[in-house]
Amino acid sequence: AQSVTQLDSQVPVFEEAPVELRCNYSSSVSVYLFWYVQYPNQGLQLLLKYLSGSTLVKGINGFEAEFNKSQTSFHLRKPSVHISDTAEYFCAVSSFSGNTPLVFGKGTRLSVIA
Amino acid sequence: EPEVTQTPSHQVTQMGQEVILRCVPISNHLYFYWYRQILGQKVEFLVSFYNNEISEKSEIFDDQFSVERPDGSNFTLKIRSTKLEDSAMYFCASSEALEIGGRRTDTQYFGPGTRLTVL
Repeated sequence: AQSVTQLDSQVPVFEEAPVELRCNYSSSVSVYLFWYVQYPNQGLQLLLKYLSGSTLVKGINGFEAEFNKSQTSFHLRKPSVHISDTAEYFCAVSSFSGNTPLVFGKGTRLSVIA
Repeated sequence: EPEVTQTPSHQVTQMGQEVILRCVPISNHLYFYWYRQILGQKVEFLVSFYNNEISEKSEIFDDQFSVERPDGSNFTLKIRSTKLEDSAMYFCASSEALEIGGRRTDTQYFGPGTRLTVL
């Protein structure tokens, strides 16, 4: 079984400042890793994913994440945030076997302050 | 860009009534899923569906829930007798069957959700 821990439920940050949203996972098998973003009153949008290869993954809207197998982490970063980045961010894992369910973390609410 | 669509966007129902939530997955996708998100809580998996049958389901997906692919495009979730605790946002997702380096990989794409309110 897998589980995901998002250590921060809320992260306030000033506009143009850098941000890191933390995600740790546990699993007895190898996993794929995902970050989804949910803007207010909208559905889940895929931000980026790690399937294999380079541990640094770049996604949409200037976000990137780094897979660290030894620390079982997949932290999301952006060097300079905008007001429009205000949203809920969910880290998720699924196992290597393919169409298995996604296991989500509780989410981190990023609030960008002008 | 192709996307998953869901109808209705909002559904209000009385406790004990049946509801059907509808989804149109991305057209070349083969795997379909339902998730739900109770207000303020994490997104939870309900069921996955492939080749016209359930491939996996969670403990939440009990006998009051059912899924169906009635035609070549729609994927539905039926709740037979709704309870207050069924109030949630229900998300449909779909994925295609891809292989990278001989290993299966599925990226799930989500619809905008249906907000179900049970009174």
